[in-house]
Amino acid sequence: GIQVEQSPPDLILQEGANSTLRCNFSDSVNNLQWFHQNPWGQLINLFYIPSGTKQNGRLSATTVATERYSLLYISSSQTTDSGVYFCAGLFSGTYKYIFGTGTRLKVLA
Amino acid sequence: DAGVTQSPTHLIKTRGQQVTLRCSPKSGHDTVSWYQQALGQGPQFIFQYYEEEERQRGNFPDRFSGHQFPNYSSELNVNALLLGDSALYLCASTPGIGEAFFGQGTRLTVV
Repeated sequence: GIQVEQSPPDLILQEGANSTLRCNFSDSVNNLQWFHQNPWGQLINLFYIPSGTKQNGRLSATTVATERYSLLYISSSQTTDSGVYFCAGLFSGTYKYIFGTGTRLKVLA
Repeated sequence: DAGVTQSPTHLIKTRGQQVTLRCSPKSGHDTVSWYQQALGQGPQFIFQYYEEEERQRGNFPDRFSGHQFPNYSSELNVNALLLGDSALYLCASTPGIGEAFFGQGTRLTVV
């Protein structure tokens, strides 16, 4: 089956540090999204990025569909960035988003 | 513009009981999908509804069923609850095939 893998699984940063989260997928992707899951379980949309690069404040994302990966960059991290980050892909021939296993980020003050 | 809303937010049920969860999609969205998220894992696809029909189903038993109404809202029903059904249930809405937006989830505990 289609695999979506995220790395690293866990990440601890000091406030102000930068980080890169990676999402690898095993098949051609039609859509790709990045989410931040808050402590109450809500999935917050960060990026809808099937290809190319987008930026939103301190966050940016790049998807290279031909090489089957996406990256999420967090700059000048803040304690409020803590939580779990998921990527999810929508692949050819299916209507379901397949989620990665997540990266658990903790930002220390 | 209201986002995706789910009810209830929390629920405790006894093993063997039945439960119904509800979802109202984002305005303008006609497609609703349901996901189950166990503790420490990523969400797993249960099924998707479009035009009041189940369009795709994940690897879940028939105890899990759903419905979509003409106003695009949806219900998830789970019969004969097992302890392993305890999870966060997430509803997502999309405008056809597009960016998915999720509700805040229903946390189900089966005792």
